[in-house]
Amino acid sequence: NAGVMQNPRHLVRRRGQEARLRCSPMKGHSHVYWYRQLPEEGLKFMVYLQKENIIDESGMPKERFSAEFPKEGPSILRIQQVVRGDSAAYFCASSPPGRPETQYFGPGTRLLVL
Amino acid sequence: QKEVEQDPGPLSVPEGAIVSLNCTYSNSAFQYFMWYRQYSRKGPELLMYTYSSGNKEDGRFTAQVDKSSKYISLFIRDSQPSDSATYLCAMSEIGGGFKTIFGAGTRLFVKA
Repeated sequence: NAGVMQNPRHLVRRRGQEARLRCSPMKGHSHVYWYRQLPEEGLKFMVYLQKENIIDESGMPKERFSAEFPKEGPSILRIQQVVRGDSAAYFCASSPPGRPETQYFGPGTRLLVL
Repeated sequence: QKEVEQDPGPLSVPEGAIVSLNCTYSNSAFQYFMWYRQYSRKGPELLMYTYSSGNKEDGRFTAQVDKSSKYISLFIRDSQPSDSATYLCAMSEIGGGFKTIFGAGTRLFVKA
């Protein structure tokens, strides 16, 4: 049973470009969470999604960031017009429905904005 | 004031020692309490979770929740060098979107 998969593992973008981060949840998990981790800081909640529905996006920056989890395919975290401050590790986690206590994390995508 | 406070350490102990890791929180609506272990440049790994108050034991790990004091602990017995990692506490409410709040993490070093 494959774990949570994220790709790419490393992503380099220049300021102003777009970054697309992908997350495939564990088999049987229909809920996905995205977190951002800055160096020497804890995980910051960004968004919680189920298929075709955003449950809670209270941690998402108001501009440039969006997330989706379509009926088919992986969840996507999209960052438009990236700035240097977006450089961080972005982690995806998945859980069964209504089970936030059993979130399993992927290996993360490390975004570097030049 | 942060919703979840966790001493960042680092905490350095000799092999075989009992380790105590702690978090305090301010939101009395938290009902789920989790502990994660994160090795350098890896994703967090779920160690244990508890619901509401009480203790839970799993091998060398024991999690305690004291809701009256808003204080949770993770104890590691017979610590090993392989336990060297950053330990993150996390908490969620029931409902309200299940938003999970993480502590900043405590870095632990176990010396052989």
